[in-house]
Amino acid sequence: AQSVAQPEDQVNVAEGNPLTVKCTYSVSGNPYLFWYVQYPNRGLQFLLKYITGDNLVKGSYGFEAEFNKSQTSFHLKKPSALVSDSALYFCAVRDGTGGFKTIFGAGTRLFVKA
Amino acid sequence: GAGVSQTPSNKVTEKGKYVELRCDPISGHTALYWYRQSLGQGPEFLIYFQGTGAADDSGLPNDRFFAVRPEGSVSTLKIQRTERGDSAVYLCASSSIPTSGRASEQYFGPGTRLTVT
Repeated sequence: AQSVAQPEDQVNVAEGNPLTVKCTYSVSGNPYLFWYVQYPNRGLQFLLKYITGDNLVKGSYGFEAEFNKSQTSFHLKKPSALVSDSALYFCAVRDGTGGFKTIFGAGTRLFVKA
Repeated sequence: GAGVSQTPSNKVTEKGKYVELRCDPISGHTALYWYRQSLGQGPEFLIYFQGTGAADDSGLPNDRFFAVRPEGSVSTLKIQRTERGDSAVYLCASSSIPTSGRASEQYFGPGTRLTVT
């Protein structure tokens, strides 16, 4: 069965410092991996996705994520955090067996302090 | 263009009542998803439509939940005999399958907050 784990409920980082939000997954076949962000009082927004190819994918707002097949991880990163990055981040996975069902992690709240 | 819209934004109902939640996807998007999000949790998959048909309804928790998409656009999630445990935010999302296939990202609506008293 598909599953996604986000081991940290909250990540705290100072503005200007690099940030990492962790995600590990378990699926059959080759995964399709996604990151979404949820700002207060707004709907979920797509950030980036990994389908195939280069393990480092770049997305919106300067975010990037690194796919690591051996560790079954897809950590979200940003070289320099902004206060405006404070939000709830969700990792999601779709398995490689042909379906469209998407499983989301429980979310990680990112707090960037000025 | 317009994004995914959901109505109502809030719905309060009494235990045992019937409710309908509506989703208007982005025009031209063939795929439509329903999720349920409880406090402190990620979205939980309920059902996926490709066109008019439910291609995967494995996430519907029981037979009180049903969803339709009769013309391949607007979808309605129907919950019979509501229970207090059904209280959650119900999210709808759509995507353009012909463009990216299974790699397609989803565009989410603002959700309907359902409270069962």
